Amino acid sequence: EIVLTQSPNTMAASPGEKVTITCRASSSVSYMYWYQQMSDASPKLWIYDTSKLASGVPDRFSGSGSGTSYSLTINTMEAEDAATYYCQQCCSTPRTFGGGTKLELK
Amino acid sequence: EVQLVESGGVLVQPGRSMKLSCAASGFTFSSFPMAWVRQAPTKGLEWVATISTSGGSTYYRDSVKGRFTISRDNAKSTLYLQMDSLRSEDTATYYCTTDDYYFDYWGQGVMVTVSS
Repeated sequence: EIVLTQSPNTMAASPGEKVTITCRASSSVSYMYWYQQMSDASPKLWIYDTSKLASGVPDRFSGSGSGTSYSLTINTMEAEDAATYYCQQCCSTPRTFGGGTKLELK
Repeated sequence: EVQLVESGGVLVQPGRSMKLSCAASGFTFSSFPMAWVRQAPTKGLEWVATISTSGGSTYYRDSVKGRFTISRDNAKSTLYLQMDSLRSEDTATYYCTTDDYYFDYWGQGVMVTVSS
């Protein structure tokens, strides 16, 4: 099973601040996927195929990485970005998710 | 608009059974593999099972293999999860999702509580 380790577990950012969340895989993966989950809501696909933004996702978000190291970046933090973000690997069974990064507004 | 609506969640005793349903609309259900993903209270996301478009192939995480059965009825655009021999560690919100190697569309989730 491929284990995905996200860091940090929690963080707080001020409006306008740049935010980076990392996801490290225990073995190399071809792509990484990211989900945003607001409190008491279902997860939403946020970034797919490592760097492509899902429909409706603001372009202040970006994704990058390869092999065992991937990241989600918010260029300038906004209040509506406060949520928990999960990474997920697609192609090794079982599909696995990272433990999540809770991003709060400072 | 894609809609996935889960139903069937309830409180159940350990060792008993429960069946979840997911009614799909707004897309060609028979063209998409489907999955169940769960989330224990205050915990992260965990893939449970996936079924192919025809239903001919199914995949499960080890902890539910032999206890859970995923199935689908393409004529009714409905996905199912039969859960037998339930354990306390199965307590979670269960989400129905499309599965194209990643999980594009999600339902609102249904809570399953396993407790005596």
